[in-house]
This record gives sequence, structure tokens and C-alpha cells, in this order.
Amino acid sequence: QQQVKQSPQSLIVQKGGISIINCAYENTAFDYFPWYQQFPGKGPALLIAIRPDVSEKKEGRFTISFNKSAKQFSLHIMDSQPGDSATYFCAASSNTDKLIFGTGTRLQVFP
Amino acid sequence: DAGITQSPRHKVTETGTPVTLRCHQTENHRYMYWYRQDPGHGLRLIHYSYGVKDTDKGEVSDGYSVSRSKTEDFLLTLESATSSQTSVYFCAIIASGVRDTQYFGPGTRLTVL
Repeated sequence: QQQVKQSPQSLIVQKGGISIINCAYENTAFDYFPWYQQFPGKGPALLIAIRPDVSEKKEGRFTISFNKSAKQFSLHIMDSQPGDSATYFCAASSNTDKLIFGTGTRLQVFP
Repeated sequence: DAGITQSPRHKVTETGTPVTLRCHQTENHRYMYWYRQDPGHGLRLIHYSYGVKDTDKGEVSDGYSVSRSKTEDFLLTLESATSSQTSVYFCAIIASGVRDTQYFGPGTRLTVL
């Protein structure tokens, strides 16, 4: 079973701090790594994604760091805000149009 | 929401009854997916479709069937619902021309008593 392992399961961060969520994979054929953000009662929404030809991608306060040799990628949320409180999922795919999701991280940002 | 609607949004049913969930999209997307979301498991793929009458099984397909007779509708059926199928079900599509990027519907919360 192809898996994507995500940690931590939950994360509490103070406003203005940095939130870091990590994912690891085993299938070296994966070539697309998105992160999804989900608010309670809503469907997941694409936040940011990276392909393995770059080691980092930044969009506003959100950055993906990608380490191909370690088969790991992580999401960094700079200057975390209470509005960032949500569940975050990493995922991966290998040109099969099917995504394999991590188990999710519940982020709580306190003022 | 990429023009995706799901119905019903909430349903409570009893063990052994059949249940059909509907995913409807308005933009002629070819690829459609059904997931279930459970605490500690993330999102798991049940079935997917590459086009009309072209469907395949995902990771957790046992107890579920699907049909796609029109591009815009992808139906998920629980032939005989069990309590283990209590979950939140999400439909997703891949926007045409945007490889891999899946957009999700609002979800259906199903409770099987």
C-alpha cells in the first residue's frame, strides 16, 4: 500500500509563530505534492503544491519545502494567524490522476 | 467549489438500507472521485471515474458501487448500509487541463444507525 505519513496529528501555535507540518513518502514515482486546507464543515481546498524539480515553493505566508533524497516534504506557515486554524492534509500522486492523502494535522492558532 | 454540488448534505439511515449519494458538476469535467473521510484516516478513495460509464475501484471500495451515466453526475451507492460506513463523503473533480489538481465538493455527512 502506497502511503504518505503525516505528522504531527495536532499542533498548537501562538499567533505570529511558525507552524510546521511534515510528510514522508516511500514511492519514488510520486511527482506531485499538494497541500490541502480544510475548515470544519467544508471540503478540502488546495492550498499550495510542488513538483520535485524544485526544493521550495512559497505563496504568501505558506511555503513547501521538498527534500527529494529524504523523500520528505513539509508545509511552513509563517506568522500564523487564528484564521489559519484548520486541518491540513498533505498528498502525493504519480501521474495516475489519483491522490494519496496523509492522515491530516489539526492546527490551532491561539491569539 | 468548482461547480460541485453534493446531495443530500446530511442523511441518517438504518443498517441494511440502500443509500445513494449524488455528486453533480456543471463544467463537463471528465475525472470524478468519491472519498470518505474518517478521523485518523484522512481521505480515502472509494471509486473514481474517467468518463461516462468508465469507473474503477479505489482503496476502500468494498460495500460501495458507483455509476456515471452522464458526464455531470457521479452516483455512489451503498447497497446495504452498515455502521462502519458512517462517515463524511466527498466528491472531487479534476479541472480539465489542470493535471492532478483535485477540487472537492462540500461533503455529505452519513450516519448509519
